Amino acid sequence: GNSVTQMEGPVTLSEEAFLTINCTYTATGYPSLFWYVQYPGEGLQLLLKATKADDKGSNKGFEATYRKETTSFHLEKGSVQVSDSAVYFCALTANSGNTPLVFGKGTRLSVIA
Amino acid sequence: EPEVTQTPSHQVTQMGQEVILRCVPISNHLYFYWYRQILGQKVEFLVSFYNNEISEKSEIFDDQFSVERPDGSNFTLKIRSTKLEDSAMYFCASRVRGGENYGYTFGSGTRLTVV
Repeated sequence: GNSVTQMEGPVTLSEEAFLTINCTYTATGYPSLFWYVQYPGEGLQLLLKATKADDKGSNKGFEATYRKETTSFHLEKGSVQVSDSAVYFCALTANSGNTPLVFGKGTRLSVIA
Repeated sequence: EPEVTQTPSHQVTQMGQEVILRCVPISNHLYFYWYRQILGQKVEFLVSFYNNEISEKSEIFDDQFSVERPDGSNFTLKIRSTKLEDSAMYFCASRVRGGENYGYTFGSGTRLTVV
C-alpha cells in the first residue's frame, strides 16, 4: 500500500539555521506529493506540492524536490524563523480515482530566537 | 480564499453519547473526507465521500461512525456511541473533481473530548 515515512522529531533549531526534514514514500504508480503545516492550535494548511518527478514545490521560503529515483520529497528552508515553529506533515496521493491522501507521522519543529 | 468550515471547534461529550460533527466544504468541491488526529499522533484517514455515497473507508471507520450530506451543503460525521478513545481532533477536507494534484483543503478541525 501507499505510505510515507518522515524523520522523527522534535527538531529544535536556532533562528536563521538551515532546515531539512526528510520524507520518503512508497507508492504504486506516480503519486503527487505534498507538505502540510500545522501551526499550534490550528488546522492543516497546504505548504507546497509537486506532481511529477523532478518538480520542485516552493512556498514561504520552503522547498522540496520530487525525487523518483530515491522516492524522496525532503523539505528544506535556508533560514528558519521563530514563526516557522509548527508540525510538518509529508503526504501523498496516488492519483487514481478517489484514493485518499496519506500522511506521514509529522515532524515537530521548534525554532528558538 | 474559499474555506472549509467546521463546527463546533471544540465539543465535550460523555462516553456513550452520540455526537455530530459538522463541516461545510467549499461549494464547487465534489470529494469530501474526514480525518482524525489523536493528540500528538499522525493524521489518519477515516472516510471519503463522493456522489452521495462512501467511496472508501478505513478500518477505524466502524459501525459506530456514519457520514451524511443531508442538504447539499453540510457534510456531517456522526459517532453513535462515543468511547474515550474517540477523543481526537477531527478534520474535514474537500477537493475538486480531478484535484488530486492540488491537495485537499482542510478545515480547522473539531476537537472532540470524550469524558
